[in-house]
Amino acid sequence: GAVVSQHPSWVICKSGTSVKIECRSLDFQATTMFWYRQFPKQSLMLMATSNEGSKATYEQGVEKDKFLINHASLTLSTLTVTSAHPEDSSFYICSAPLHFIPHSYNSPLHFGNGTRLTVT
Amino acid sequence: TQLLKQSPQFLSIQEGENLTVYCNSSSVFSSLQWYRQEPGEGPVLLVTVVTGGEVKKLKRLTFQFGDARKDSSLHITAAQPGDTGLYLCAGDKAAGNKLTFGGGTRVLVKP
Repeated sequence: GAVVSQHPSWVICKSGTSVKIECRSLDFQATTMFWYRQFPKQSLMLMATSNEGSKATYEQGVEKDKFLINHASLTLSTLTVTSAHPEDSSFYICSAPLHFIPHSYNSPLHFGNGTRLTVT
Repeated sequence: TQLLKQSPQFLSIQEGENLTVYCNSSSVFSSLQWYRQEPGEGPVLLVTVVTGGEVKKLKRLTFQFGDARKDSSLHITAAQPGDTGLYLCAGDKAAGNKLTFGGGTRVLVKP
């Protein structure tokens, strides 16, 4: 079964509305999760690192007020795209390391199946 | 400027042919991971290489990590249509599992 569950798999919304995407780790705890954005036929772009119990860390150029991240529990992180516009249309993917050890390396990332957001 | 450069960007071959995808950087990575992603899905980890010069095999896939840990390659022998997908390399430079992804190589294996 899926190790990381992402929901919804696709969503269509009107411009100006907000959309929430959920990312759950199944059968393991994830103190850290990562949110990516992927444009068609392109690679993954890291948007932010979600930290359980503390503020998310955003990559340069990513608006934290537009892409709200909440990591309220050890198994759930949410990304809310606020006041969505057509240019926010994209494929959003979350991931979590199976074993997160600070100052360690090599833990494989398990990805959700992504959410295709279309803003009309 | 992309930290990890993958080449080629796109590769179309016939079933049964071999192919190699390259992942190059001027930076040293503590580890490098390869993922495959199919349309509409998230990437799936194929392998992690850690030691310079390391070679790992996964059935028809052979992964190599450069001696200086700056580059890696993925070689597929006798490719099959099921190998079609986007292949991504990702390097781990810093603690915290914050990976840097390459631009990806889109592979199409035609039957």
